[in-house]
Amino acid sequence: GNSVTQMEGPVTLSEEAFLTINCTYTATGYPSLFWYVQYPGEGLQLLLKATKADDKGSNKGFEATYRKETTSFHLEKGSVQVSDSAVYFCALSERGSTLGRLYFGRGTQLTVWP
Amino acid sequence: EAQVTQNPRYLITVTGKKLTVTCSQNMNHEYMSWYRQDPGLGLRQIYYSMNVEVTDKGDVPEGYKVSRKEKRNFPLILESPSPNQTSLYFCASSLVGAGTLNSPLHFGNGTRLTVT
Repeated sequence: GNSVTQMEGPVTLSEEAFLTINCTYTATGYPSLFWYVQYPGEGLQLLLKATKADDKGSNKGFEATYRKETTSFHLEKGSVQVSDSAVYFCALSERGSTLGRLYFGRGTQLTVWP
Repeated sequence: EAQVTQNPRYLITVTGKKLTVTCSQNMNHEYMSWYRQDPGLGLRQIYYSMNVEVTDKGDVPEGYKVSRKEKRNFPLILESPSPNQTSLYFCASSLVGAGTLNSPLHFGNGTRLTVT
């Protein structure tokens, strides 16, 4: 089956620190991978995405590389800001007939202190 | 402004009293879906709809109903709510499918439901 495993939170960092949030997946096929972000009181928003092995998704200083050999899609940012405080969700979708399903990890709460 | 609108934002009800949470999108999206978010469990899909009059169960459909009579609306119905349905609910839509790269999910701001 399909599933996503994220590192347990919460993650607390000082401003300008380096961020890594681990994400690994299990998929029956060749999935597309996503990171979504949820700011307080809001719905989720797409942060970045990747469709094939070695693709790097990037947005707002965040990056994640699709690693097929390790089935991973870790989220990184070189220097976090207070405004990055949010919950981050890793997700996958199977290409092909299951376009209706997007599988989310449990989410990782990030808090950045000034 | 392109958006997914859910109503109400907050709802407190009692066990067994039927309720409906509305969801509407103005982007002419074919795909719509409902999720519930619970601490430690992340987002779990309740139902989804690939197009008008087409709905399918997600991971946790028990106790919920949906309908898709028109493209823009996808209401979530709880015929007889129970306390274990206390949760934060999100409606989402996308142009085609849930995970295609050029069709990201757009989420509403959520409905916090409490069933006593």
